[in-house]
Amino acid sequence: DTAVSQTPKYLVTQMGNDKSIKCEQNLGHDTMYWYKQDSKKFLKIMFSYNNKELIINETVPNRFSPKSPDKAHLNLHINSLELGDSAVYFCASSQGTGGNTIYFGEGSWLTVV
Amino acid sequence: KNQVEQSPQSLIILEGKNCTLQCNYTVSPFSNLRWYKQDTGRGPVSLTIMTFSENTKSNGRYTATLDADTKQSSLHITASQLSDSASYICVVKSGGSYIPTFGRGTSLIVHP
Repeated sequence: DTAVSQTPKYLVTQMGNDKSIKCEQNLGHDTMYWYKQDSKKFLKIMFSYNNKELIINETVPNRFSPKSPDKAHLNLHINSLELGDSAVYFCASSQGTGGNTIYFGEGSWLTVV
Repeated sequence: KNQVEQSPQSLIILEGKNCTLQCNYTVSPFSNLRWYKQDTGRGPVSLTIMTFSENTKSNGRYTATLDADTKQSSLHITASQLSDSASYICVVKSGGSYIPTFGRGTSLIVHP
């Protein structure tokens, strides 16, 4: 009965590769997010979708492309991976954008070598 | 610019002791403030939410306070347990933005 699930949990890949991280939420929320947590544990928002529409895009390189096929899914595709992309990526969801609780997934540990 | 500053950056205490974590913010207009707990290797989980009119809110051994005039919040942990070892993140939502502002977190280690 996981609320926000993301796969894979761990991913090790070489520079230049393309990879995807999938996310699904079963909470019935209409808003989903991708956050990046760097080595200093700082969480930074990357994207947010509300009812499948992109509402937040925080100056993320266009190598990162989110896709929301429906309200319950928000996948993240990354092209031409770089060393600096190594981080933990968290998917999250909430009901609306008015400050309701954000529910986070368990994170996907991406290591680029 | 909306900012959230947390202190201390890290804290080590003995099991059974109390501790207080601080959060100062410059977010405006203020909507709400949340404290999240992030266990190692897990995603953050919401502990409490404070709105403008609330001064104190408890969740078990966790008590959050809010002073909207000085724009400060604190999270007090009573009778700490080993399982309290985690990062505690203060998140402030502005009424004028979709994006909540995250603090950098306080890393708490509870030793037996």
